[in-house]
Amino acid sequence: QQPVQSPQAVILREGEDAVINCSSSKALYSVHWYRQKHGEAPVFLMILLKGGEQKGHDKISASFNEKKQQSSLYLTASQLSYSGTYFCGTEILTDSWGKLQFGAGTQVVVTP
Amino acid sequence: DSGVTQTPKHLITATGQRVTLRCSPRSGDLSVYWYQQSLDQGLQFLIQYYNGEERAKGNILERFSAQQFPDLHSELNLSSLELGDSALYFCASSGGSGTEAYEQYFGPGTRLTVT
Repeated sequence: QQPVQSPQAVILREGEDAVINCSSSKALYSVHWYRQKHGEAPVFLMILLKGGEQKGHDKISASFNEKKQQSSLYLTASQLSYSGTYFCGTEILTDSWGKLQFGAGTQVVVTP
Repeated sequence: DSGVTQTPKHLITATGQRVTLRCSPRSGDLSVYWYQQSLDQGLQFLIQYYNGEERAKGNILERFSAQQFPDLHSELNLSSLELGDSALYFCASSGGSGTEAYEQYFGPGTRLTVT
């Protein structure tokens, strides 16, 4: 039931773009995105509740394709502060509200 | 700062022992979640409480138990500890209305080391 994230890691230069994908084998109610820096707690970025909806947070945005049970996180014009591990958390439609299954994470390194 | 507090920050204990981890949610949040993060298992959902009642259960071992008190703080009890229980334990909370009710804010975590 754990969603699959890809890629496992990405190295970017400042100003470059990246896409992180999250896919599930189960029908989803929502997708949550978090960023975790080393030694710190995961920080909430955004939640997508409806299929096809895009949300944005500064230059980080995400989309959710309900039919394909996939979500993508877009890092645009990356900044050094974007470095960290990005996790998607999925709520399965038939599961309890609030029960998140997290992907293994995508490590993002932004270099000057 | 998410507004979620967890104590203690670090805990070192021996196998077979019992420990209690404490979490205070953000002011007004009714839901509390517990997660375990280890290198090999990633971030695993353990259990959720809503206003004192157990709402959802994940991969929580029988040796582990939790509760949420009337003041909404929560405790996670881990007993008969094994080396494999060494991990970061996070508490998260959520509240509000609309989509805000689904947004989980994580505390700083308790690092448990079992020797």
